[in-house]
Amino acid sequence: DAMVIQNPRYQVTQFGKPVTLSCSQTLNHNVMYWYQQKSSQAPKLLFHYYDKDFNNEADTPDNFQSRRPNTSFCFLDIRSPGLGDAAMYLCATSTAGADTQYFGPGTRLTVL
Amino acid sequence: QQQVKQSPQSLIVQKGGISIINCAYENTAFDYFPWYQQFPGKGPALLIAIRPDVSEKKEGRFTISFNKSAKQFSLHIMDSQPGDSATYFCAAKDSNYQLIWGAGTKLIIKP
Repeated sequence: DAMVIQNPRYQVTQFGKPVTLSCSQTLNHNVMYWYQQKSSQAPKLLFHYYDKDFNNEADTPDNFQSRRPNTSFCFLDIRSPGLGDAAMYLCATSTAGADTQYFGPGTRLTVL
Repeated sequence: QQQVKQSPQSLIVQKGGISIINCAYENTAFDYFPWYQQFPGKGPALLIAIRPDVSEKKEGRFTISFNKSAKQFSLHIMDSQPGDSATYFCAAKDSNYQLIWGAGTKLIIKP
């Protein structure tokens, strides 16, 4: 089945220790998104890729970076996680010009 | 202008009852209005969506009612079941294809 896969599902890191979350998709969609979702809140868009074109939201902290080496994969790098970065990180994909975004199951990040 | 206001924040409905969640927006450039369902520990999943040229869309027990002049839309869940207990988000797509999200409604269906 075509889908959006996120690994790991749960990630524990220490304060200040870099961490990388990964997302892969078999939908062959050219747009990929990273969202941060804190408890009881709506997802907050961090950035998105239109093919290889990177689009950063204005209020996304510099601590967050992303890489998209090919169509299928996208990575979220948190350079120096703080306690406030503990959240669910969601990857989503869509086809350019299409309305619907398809979400992965998310990675729950805990910062100790 | 870019906000989507969602209410109520939480909702408890008896099994078999009708669950109603409301959203309102200001930006008339929004052209697609999806509802997402999210279970604890899972990613949001598209439930149903509507465009502003349609006043109602029904899929099974789920119906979206859309009032373009009032800039409001709502989700109705008929014959609500315990398995419908989840958080529901309304959203609107802007001209940059970004989703503007409502704050979410935690729905609990009591058996």
